Amino acid sequence: AQSVTQLDSQVPVFEEAPVELRCNYSSSVSVYLFWYVQYPNQGLQLLLKYLSGSTLVESINGFEAEFNKSQTSFHLRKPSVHISDTAEYFCAVSELQGAQKLVFGQGTRLTINP
Amino acid sequence: EAGVAQSPRYKIIEKRQSVAFWCNPISGHATLYWYQQILGQGPKLLIQFQNNGVVDDSQLPKDRFSAERLKGVDSTLKIQPAKLEDSAVYLCASSLSQGSRETQYFGPGTRLLVL
Repeated sequence: AQSVTQLDSQVPVFEEAPVELRCNYSSSVSVYLFWYVQYPNQGLQLLLKYLSGSTLVESINGFEAEFNKSQTSFHLRKPSVHISDTAEYFCAVSELQGAQKLVFGQGTRLTINP
Repeated sequence: EAGVAQSPRYKIIEKRQSVAFWCNPISGHATLYWYQQILGQGPKLLIQFQNNGVVDDSQLPKDRFSAERLKGVDSTLKIQPAKLEDSAVYLCASSLSQGSRETQYFGPGTRLLVL
């Protein structure tokens, strides 16, 4: 069975600073990887996903994540954050074979200070 | 395009009472999911439907939880009787089809407090 560990429960940063939210996963088979974001008082929405091909994937609002198979990681980064990026971020994994269900990490609360 | 709808948004009940949550997925989405999100944790899948059939209910506490999707569109999740540890946000999601590549679209959730 797969599992996901988000190493930081809270990350406070100043506006325009860079940020990295860490995610490690465990699985005995190949996986797809996702980052979901939950803005205050809203539902979860997909930020970006890795299915195949280039290990670096990008979102439309400047976030990027890199799949590192040897380190079983999928860290999320942004070079310069905005107040509007304040949200909870969830890393998730699903296996290509077997159960194929989405398994989430515990979440990282990103707080942007002016 | 309308998103996933859920009701009610909030519910407060006493332990041993029953409660039901409703979900209407995005039109045309064959796969529907119910998740439980306890405070401080990520969402955990309770049950997955493909049209009106159950694909995975391995983590559904079947002694107290039940779910149905009779016509393959909207769905109801019921808890009877509720326990204190059922306090959580219940999320409904839908996707065009099943499969691990599919993007899931989430509703706003129902926040349940059991006293």
